[in-house]
Amino acid sequence: NAGVTQTPKFRILKIGQSMTLQCTQDMNHNYMYWYRQDPGMGLKLIYYSVGAGITDKGEVPNGYNVSRSTTEDFPLRLELAAPSQTSVYFCASRTGAEETQYFGPGTRLLVL
Amino acid sequence: KQEVTQIPAALSVPEGENLVLNCSFTDSAIYNLQWFRQDPGKGLTSLLLIQSSQREQTSGRLNASLDKSSGRSTLYIAASQPGDSATYLCAVAPFYNQGGKLIFGQGTELSVKP
Repeated sequence: NAGVTQTPKFRILKIGQSMTLQCTQDMNHNYMYWYRQDPGMGLKLIYYSVGAGITDKGEVPNGYNVSRSTTEDFPLRLELAAPSQTSVYFCASRTGAEETQYFGPGTRLLVL
Repeated sequence: KQEVTQIPAALSVPEGENLVLNCSFTDSAIYNLQWFRQDPGKGLTSLLLIQSSQREQTSGRLNASLDKSSGRSTLYIAASQPGDSATYLCAVAPFYNQGGKLIFGQGTELSVKP
């Protein structure tokens, strides 16, 4: 199993541009999460999904959108990128029964 | 609103020392508490998960304790090694928690010197 994979690893965006951060898991996990981590800080939840077709907002959803059309994929869309969205983005997944979350390696995003 | 705090933000110890990392949370209504390790430029790896009904969990040289009434957890690392150098984060799952969401502390950056 590859686990949780994220692409790209690093991206520079200009203010106002849009992009999609990709997240895929091959563990057949129902639950998936997007977090952001700012320097020296813990992770904050952006959006989460408890299964295909079901998504909900986390703590810091403004400026982001998600979709979950399959069990495996949970892309995060940034519309109209702003410097405040400069961060490292982590995707995670877990089963419904086990509470441990498995994390991807992260995407580092710089908005200039 | 649940808040999770980890003090200190950074810690440097000589190799072989036993050490304790601290985590505090403001609301005792939690479902579980989890400790993660994060290496530079990498994702998080789960170390230990303590259910709200448990007092501690052990894995190898790691021991995590939970005191819900005081809103505290500690991660004890025995006989520290340079390979233990990383950032350690704790996270709580609130009791009334749809979707298994976690609330994270800001982490303690540990450096173990040879």
